Amino acid sequence: DIVMTQSPDSLAVSLGERATINCKSSQSVLYSSDSKNCLAWYQQKPGQPPHLLFYWASTRESGVPDRFSGSGSGTDFTLTINNLQAEDVAVYYCQQYYSAPLTFGGGTKVEIK
Amino acid sequence: QVQLQESGPGLVKPSQTLSLACTVFGGSISSNSYYWSWIRQPAGKGLEWIGRIHPSGNTNYNPSLKSRVGISLDTSKNQLSLKLTSVTAADTAVYYCAKANLETGTNRLLTGFDLWGQGTLVTVSS
Repeated sequence: DIVMTQSPDSLAVSLGERATINCKSSQSVLYSSDSKNCLAWYQQKPGQPPHLLFYWASTRESGVPDRFSGSGSGTDFTLTINNLQAEDVAVYYCQQYYSAPLTFGGGTKVEIK
Repeated sequence: QVQLQESGPGLVKPSQTLSLACTVFGGSISSNSYYWSWIRQPAGKGLEWIGRIHPSGNTNYNPSLKSRVGISLDTSKNQLSLKLTSVTAADTAVYYCAKANLETGTNRLLTGFDLWGQGTLVTVSS
């Protein structure tokens, strides 16, 4: 199984500042044939299902604000939220879809400082 | 647009079988472009993938649950179903169904889970 490790577990950021969330996979999730990373990011607000933000590590899902960005390759990935807004308070998860069993990181809770 | 809705008993006794259904509205569960999954989340904890099914009949399960889980499709009802046997309190969670998109011709997932149901809480208790 590919183990996904997120850091930090939680972070508090001032409104308008940047939040950075890291995700590390225990093995590469990169398809060498086309250099695509099978890594997704989700946002989950209380009482709601997760919402897909990015796939292929950096491809933004339709409707996701461009203050969100995804980056990284191989085993190390980052979700960045620039200009943090109050509505960005949530738990964020990374997930690999390179191989079954599909696995999620433990989540990072983002709060307002 | 396509929507997913989970349904089933909210309370299951220990050692019994948990059975849930997920109805797909506004789309066909038979499309070869999709994989359908079940995912669960205990209160205050993270997400655990349970397993998935493709309309071709291909299934994959989380090894941690493989001996107890079964996922199937009922195309006549446009439903995905989950059965989890011999449940314990550790199986108490919100259960979600979700869709992922498949790349034509390669059997590779194109995205993560781009569509989720609202989830249904299942409590295992006597």
